[in-house]
Amino acid sequence: GENVEQHPSTLSVQEGDSAVIKCTYSDSASNYFPWYKQELGKRPQLIIDIRSNVGEKKDQRIAVTLNKTAKHFSLHITETQPEDSAVYFCAATRTGTASKLTFGTGTRLQVML
Amino acid sequence: DAMVIQNPRYQVTQFGKPVTLSCSQTLNHNVMYWYQQKSSQAPKLLFHYYDKDFNNEADTPDNFQSRRPNTSFCFLDIRSPGLGDAAMYLCATSSKGTSGSRQYFGPGTRLTVT
Repeated sequence: GENVEQHPSTLSVQEGDSAVIKCTYSDSASNYFPWYKQELGKRPQLIIDIRSNVGEKKDQRIAVTLNKTAKHFSLHITETQPEDSAVYFCAATRTGTASKLTFGTGTRLQVML
Repeated sequence: DAMVIQNPRYQVTQFGKPVTLSCSQTLNHNVMYWYQQKSSQAPKLLFHYYDKDFNNEADTPDNFQSRRPNTSFCFLDIRSPGLGDAAMYLCATSSKGTSGSRQYFGPGTRLTVT
């Protein structure tokens, strides 16, 4: 089955700096890679996703890159703000009738004032 | 607004006393998932329904059961909760198709076992 590794487990940045979170996956058949943001006590919220037919996707301050050859994908947050502080989970799956996500272990991002 | 709703948001039950958590959705998605999430961990898939087809994860304890009486509703039954079952239980939905795989989570039910 799929295995997803995520690094770092914790990340502290100064407000305005960039943050990068990296994930690697094991199943070369995986073709869908979402990122979720989870604030304390709240639901995981889908913030961006990428499919294997593209190498990069951007949405305002958030971008995701995918390297299929190396089987890794990364989340980039620019101009970080205090409200970006949360736990971020990457995930991977092979799309199908009911795609089961394999999650990474999460990264706790703290944006310091 | 279309959404995933979970009730109750907080549930306290006694050790060994059966409890049922509910999930409803207005997204008309054909797939519904139940996850267990413990503190500082990723969500762990317990099972999912694709339409009426039930799919159990191999490591989901028999203590956990699920029902999906119609497209909109799904229930998680914990037959004899133990202290180790205290967790956040998340329901999620997704649809088949080109936008499939995107899973949308409900707000969760935090279960406390006393």
